[in-house]
Amino acid sequence: DGGITQSPKYLFRKEGQNVTLSCEQNLNHDAMYWYRQDPGQGLRLIYYSQIVNDFQKGDIAEGYSVSREKKESFPLTVTSAQKNPTAFYLCASATGSYGYTFGSGTRLTVV
Amino acid sequence: GQQVMQIPQYQHVQEGEDFTTYCNSSTTLSNIQWYKQRPGGHPVFLIQLVKSGEVKKQKRLTFQFGEAKKNSSLHITATQTTDVGTYFCAGPLRQGGKLIFGQGTELSVKP
Repeated sequence: DGGITQSPKYLFRKEGQNVTLSCEQNLNHDAMYWYRQDPGQGLRLIYYSQIVNDFQKGDIAEGYSVSREKKESFPLTVTSAQKNPTAFYLCASATGSYGYTFGSGTRLTVV
Repeated sequence: GQQVMQIPQYQHVQEGEDFTTYCNSSTTLSNIQWYKQRPGGHPVFLIQLVKSGEVKKQKRLTFQFGEAKKNSSLHITATQTTDVGTYFCAGPLRQGGKLIFGQGTELSVKP
């Protein structure tokens, strides 16, 4: 079955650590996206990529970095510069102007 | 900048009552999309509306796109406990085409 896989499901980070969230899709979608969701809040765009080896900052890119070396993969690194990283992170992919397919998300907690 | 606003933020209904959420964009949209996120889950694409004045139905759900293509609504007839979750509308930005999401309407249904 085609889909989008995020791992891990839960992640704990110590202060000052960088952590990387994985996002893999086998839908052959060109575009991939990272969103952050805080409790009771909507979705805020962190980074997006519409083609391999190219990506753009979203509304809240500070403290995050991404890469897009392969069409299937769009990992997100939460750096120590991100002051409030505890949140639910959602990866999505899309083709054309049709609906996004979301992964099941990663819940990141700073300990 | 371009914004998509959704009301109400929360709606509590008795099972069997109807429910409506409204979405308004600051600019004309080429299309409007609706997503549902169950508690603890990830957003799932429900439908896309493209034409001015378009109305689409999915069982008890009715989706409408305004004549000016700046507003939309989702109406659920005779709610059930399975309808619980947060409903998001989303429209593409003029530049880049990436989606901008409304803040969502959280629906709770009392049996």
